[in-house]
Amino acid sequence: DAGVTQSPTHLIKTRGQQVTLRCSPKSGHDTVSWYQQALGQGPQFIFQYYEEEERQRGNFPDRFSGHQFPNYSSELNVNALLLGDSALYLCASSYSDRANTEAFFGQGTRLTVV
Amino acid sequence: AQTVTQSQPEMSVQEAETVTLSCTYDTSESDYYLFWYKQPPSRQMILVIRQEAYKQQNATENRFSVNFQKAAKSFSLKISDSQLGDAAMYFCALKTSYDKVIFGPGTSLSVIP
Repeated sequence: DAGVTQSPTHLIKTRGQQVTLRCSPKSGHDTVSWYQQALGQGPQFIFQYYEEEERQRGNFPDRFSGHQFPNYSSELNVNALLLGDSALYLCASSYSDRANTEAFFGQGTRLTVV
Repeated sequence: AQTVTQSQPEMSVQEAETVTLSCTYDTSESDYYLFWYKQPPSRQMILVIRQEAYKQQNATENRFSVNFQKAAKSFSLKISDSQLGDAAMYFCALKTSYDKVIFGPGTSLSVIP
């Protein structure tokens, strides 16, 4: 079991550009959540996808959008990048029908906006 | 709104000693779950221990144990016989039902040889 995999591991983009981050969930998991972790802080919830639809959303602007594919993998898209979007982006997967299970995290994508 | 607070930004412990990391939370839900995650420099968020709110017995995983005080909304992590590999950021986290996970700001733990 490969666990949760994210790509790429590192990314440098210019302010104003658009970026797409990818996540493959742990085998058997059908729910994917995305988090933004600024340096020295705890992860902040961006949104959650289940059955190819956004089920929950945190306090992030519409520049942040996502998608979930039939195989449960997911993408996070960020448009019009700002310097403040520089952070570690974490993907977490879980079972939808097991409320008490923990989320499994990937190693994250380090995004630097210059 | 649900919140998680960790009042110790940094902690240090001598190798083989015991350290306790503090966490308080707030939620209006009666059914929820609490977690401690460890994040080493490799960035991988690793589950250390979890506690179901409906269970009165404190969870234990080898050298890691929690002190869950539901009325006080407190959830501290005790690490016994600390090892160099325990050095990391530790995050307390709260999850209600099928909701998102809310993380605290983290505590940076250093282990002194």
